[in-house]
Amino acid sequence: QKEVEQNSGPLSVPEGAIASLNCTYSDRGSQSFFWYRQYSGKSPELIMSIYSNGDKEDGRFTAQLNKASQYVSLLIRDSQPSDSATYLCAAYYSSYKLIFGSGTRLLVRP
Amino acid sequence: KAGVTQTPRYLIKTRGQQVTLSCSPISGHRSVSWYQQTPGQGLQFLFEYFSETQRNKGNFPGRFSGRQFSNSRSEMNVSTLELGDSALYLCASSTTPSEGDTQYFGPGTRLTVL
Repeated sequence: QKEVEQNSGPLSVPEGAIASLNCTYSDRGSQSFFWYRQYSGKSPELIMSIYSNGDKEDGRFTAQLNKASQYVSLLIRDSQPSDSATYLCAAYYSSYKLIFGSGTRLLVRP
Repeated sequence: KAGVTQTPRYLIKTRGQQVTLSCSPISGHRSVSWYQQTPGQGLQFLFEYFSETQRNKGNFPGRFSGRQFSNSRSEMNVSTLELGDSALYLCASSTTPSEGDTQYFGPGTRLTVL
């Protein structure tokens, strides 16, 4: 079992729709989770971090964490073509190690 | 505040050579992590340094090594390069290595091994 799993996609949504990206992790001890966005040819940039069960909202982005189910998700409301990118989920494992999923490619159709 | 910088941005080497990559963290950040990104394997953790000490290492062969200097700048070295080492090497810095501290990425060094 991979430590952090994501569906590779591509996830295709029309402009203005809600995009839902999902991630599961295997280490129950993980307490900190991050979503990064990576455009083709660029380095990852942080979108959001989440540490507690529940929802965390920042503008059009909402991260959701369910530690009992070991599940993290990212919702993007009013999706724009500029949101088209690969979204990486990451979880902190023991010993100062940030582990990334393989990423979900999102395509927002104009 | 300036971001994470990495040099060089692009490198072309041949098999058997060695290479050194450099990373300067954000001012005030003392933890530096290195990652390798390839299309097939995604973003994989190489190692993490804090206060000039390697605190964790990923599952990479001993050909991959690194160090951190007293000013928090870090270098990684790959010896006896193989074709499979062609990748984007990313450096990320954070204030401390504490769980929960956000890591900020540099632009990366694109290494091509011929």
